[in-house]
Amino acid sequence: QSVLTQPPSASGTPGQRVTISCSGSTSNIENNFVYWYQQLPGPAPKLLIYRNNQRPSGVPDRFSGSKSGTSASLAISGLRSEDEADYYCAAWDDSLSGVVFGGGTKLTVL
Amino acid sequence: EVQLVESGGGLVQPGGSLRVSCKASGSSLTSYWMHWVRQAPGKGLVWVSRIYTNENNINYADSVKGRFTVSRDNAKNTVYLQMSSLRAEDTAVYYCAAGKDSGAVFAYWGQGILVTVSS
Repeated sequence: QSVLTQPPSASGTPGQRVTISCSGSTSNIENNFVYWYQQLPGPAPKLLIYRNNQRPSGVPDRFSGSKSGTSASLAISGLRSEDEADYYCAAWDDSLSGVVFGGGTKLTVL
Repeated sequence: EVQLVESGGGLVQPGGSLRVSCKASGSSLTSYWMHWVRQAPGKGLVWVSRIYTNENNINYADSVKGRFTVSRDNAKNTVYLQMSSLRAEDTAVYYCAAGKDSGAVFAYWGQGILVTVSS
């Protein structure tokens, strides 16, 4: 059971906009930055969004992050087949003194 | 850009010990938080431990506290995870990851190394 809660799956058709939610608590999401990671089949995860809504260089602006209170979300617009991957949210947890991840959301592009 | 390469994984019996290493190239690790993150087969990401420049700044997940020890050798640009009293549920791909913020930022990842705990 993960500390951060994500839907196990999401789907969309090419060109659509998809949103993935991440729910936590005051000790993690509300009080700390949220990060998002993309894991394609095989390789290591890749940082997609940092500090709630910032994109590292090289990440398309189709990806955006937001946070409100104890929840955060990742939005992917103009969905493409290569976006099919697992997506994870993560945050520092003040109560646990450690990093907590969501359980991951498997995105399928139909 | 930081490149990370893990080594030292393999098969170990329950109750045994194993040390995995993470060597960095391309940049000095001294200003980075270094983390270990694991992923059991077919499962999600789980954070294991982190260490900053000196060994006064170390944290562990409750599931490994007292069994795993993280350390670093800045001169060798290498981070280690010493694992003892290993259990079947420790079987996973172990990734090392680096980030400059103190939070859940993993800007650079290694390719991962498989640790299998089985008799």
